[in-house]
Amino acid sequence: GESVGLHLPTLSVQEGDNSIINCAYSNSASDYFIWYKQESGKGPQFIIDIRSNMDKRQGQRVTVLLNKTVKHLSLQIAATQPGDSAVYFCAESGTGSARQLTFGSGTQLTVLP
Amino acid sequence: DGGITQSPKYLFRKEGQNVTLSCEQNLNHDAMYWYRQDPGQGLRLIYYSQIVNDFQKGDIAEGYSVSREKKESFPLTVTSAQKNPTAFYLCASNSGGAGTDTQYFGPGTRLTVL
Repeated sequence: GESVGLHLPTLSVQEGDNSIINCAYSNSASDYFIWYKQESGKGPQFIIDIRSNMDKRQGQRVTVLLNKTVKHLSLQIAATQPGDSAVYFCAESGTGSARQLTFGSGTQLTVLP
Repeated sequence: DGGITQSPKYLFRKEGQNVTLSCEQNLNHDAMYWYRQDPGQGLRLIYYSQIVNDFQKGDIAEGYSVSREKKESFPLTVTSAQKNPTAFYLCASNSGGAGTDTQYFGPGTRLTVL
């Protein structure tokens, strides 16, 4: 199947700064993308999603940007807080009735005091 | 209080034993999924079910079996044929309707083979 990859396995930011987590995908037919947050020992938690007919979507303190030309997805977290420390996964869904998700390997975000 | 529950949280198995991991959801979701997560890796799909009494193999189904006798429940059995079963197992569900791709996850079960 198609793969979804992340540019950086780890990211450290100062508390209060903005964080940007990147993701590359290779399936040009993918039409739906999700960001998940996973804290240690817990299941992934939905953060935000975006469909391929959009290039930007905002939530509370988070923004997802989609660049279909270069098949790139990013998650921006504003005013990063200690509670944001976690692994962040992007996932993509292509065509097909099963609507399976393909996950990247994740980026570990560490918020420094 | 709606959601997905998995039990047990931790499970220890001796080599050669089969074990069954429980997954229950009260979200009235049609589709359910089982993933395996190894350290530093993404989630890999084991099995999925889009409707009761039907399920499909995912990318790494060998050594695993499932059943879907009820909409709310999708248990996963890790058989003795699974050569490296130590991992974190995650169950997920979604409503299964058109345009509803978001999957919601349970808290996971950590399986360790002794």
